[in-house]
Amino acid sequence: DTAVSQTPKYLVTQMGNDKSIKCEQNLGHDTMYWYKQDSKKFLKIMFSYNNKELIINETVPNRFSPKSPDKAHLNLHINSLELGDSAVYFCASSQLSNRGPNTGELFFGEGSRLTVL
Amino acid sequence: QKEVEQDPGPLSVPEGAIVSLNCTYSNSAFQYFMWYRQYSRKGPELLMYTYSSGNKEDGRFTAQVDKSSKYISLFIRDSQPSDSATYLCAMSGTASKLTFGTGTRLQVTL
Repeated sequence: DTAVSQTPKYLVTQMGNDKSIKCEQNLGHDTMYWYKQDSKKFLKIMFSYNNKELIINETVPNRFSPKSPDKAHLNLHINSLELGDSAVYFCASSQLSNRGPNTGELFFGEGSRLTVL
Repeated sequence: QKEVEQDPGPLSVPEGAIVSLNCTYSNSAFQYFMWYRQYSRKGPELLMYTYSSGNKEDGRFTAQVDKSSKYISLFIRDSQPSDSATYLCAMSGTASKLTFGTGTRLQVTL
């Protein structure tokens, strides 16, 4: 039973198209994230939602728009795709607590490999 | 200068060797330190977690944090081919935002 699942796993598309990646977690976590991993394996946070509220919004082009319909889902829509958007996009979830230090443990999906031609 | 620096490797060692992986960082507010392991075509998974300075051991893995030097290490004893993966250090001041290193690719050969 997959804890964090993302679809699609692979996406090949033309420049200028619009595409979406979906993510669902069944861990009961309250926080979800989108990370981008480039070809050099550098993992950079893009967005984070806590109970459907946006809490982290890094410097990301407006063409990227996250949507969280409920705390178990976080989708990523990308408009007007560019060559530089080619990367692996990882969804992750965690449980944040106000009581004591957090482990900071993120549970990652298997990634969605986006190739823009 | 990146907040977290990590040698990308690749690092190739023979089976049974002791592996040392390191990261340096510049943000003195970091107090949670983690190592993630990422196999090819998979998502990262948490391997070790340390809060503030000190050592933590788990089987063949030992994580060390030296906050005075802003330096963290992961040691793997008796390395196995199954340890071949990319190892990413990660750290945060508040657990809601992790900053990752670029990852070190490790290859353990027979």
